[in-house]
Amino acid sequence: GIQVEQSPPDLILQEGANSTLRCNFSDSVNNLQWFHQNPWGQLINLFYIPSGTKQNGRLSATTVATERYSLLYISSSQTTDSGVYFCAVERYGGTSYGKLTFGQGTILTVHP
Amino acid sequence: DTEVTQTPKHLVMGMTNKKSLKCEQHMGHRAMYWYKQKAKKPPELMFVYSYEKLSINESVPSRFSPECPNSSLLNLHLHALQPEDSALYLCASSQDLKKGAFSNQPQHFGDGTRLSIL
Repeated sequence: GIQVEQSPPDLILQEGANSTLRCNFSDSVNNLQWFHQNPWGQLINLFYIPSGTKQNGRLSATTVATERYSLLYISSSQTTDSGVYFCAVERYGGTSYGKLTFGQGTILTVHP
Repeated sequence: DTEVTQTPKHLVMGMTNKKSLKCEQHMGHRAMYWYKQKAKKPPELMFVYSYEKLSINESVPSRFSPECPNSSLLNLHLHALQPEDSALYLCASSQDLKKGAFSNQPQHFGDGTRLSIL
């Protein structure tokens, strides 16, 4: 099956700093999503971005499908950004429709 | 507030109990999913329903029994669970499962049910 690798595994920032999270995947994909899981376990959909660039406030994401990677940018980080960031991909074919494969996540801690 | 509602939020049960987890969405989505997430791990797919029919079963033990009574509801029936089944159970939905060149829509997740097996 498709492999998803996220880096870095852990990231510690001071409030106000910027950061870049990376997601590499081993095969072409039809769907890519970035999620934030907060300390209470809520999994929040940040971006649906199989290709191209999107921005939402202080967050933006870019997926370069031909090179099989995606980047999540967080600017002016806040303590509420703390949690785990997951990249998840889906590759169509056979019985794989609807199957999101998650990376291991990046644990982000933002200190005040 | 999420648009996918899961109940209960927390559940503690013994190994001989029978209980059910419920998931509801009113976004008109026709694909619904169950995921299991252990601590410090990513979510893992268990089941996928498309138009109320089971589409994917990821070799889940039979003590987990899914049910999709209509397009808005998804249940997960639990029976004779083991302590290692303690986890966060997440439900998700998406517009449809489309085959071919059309892209699937993003999956929207509920807040989960935190399950503890004694």
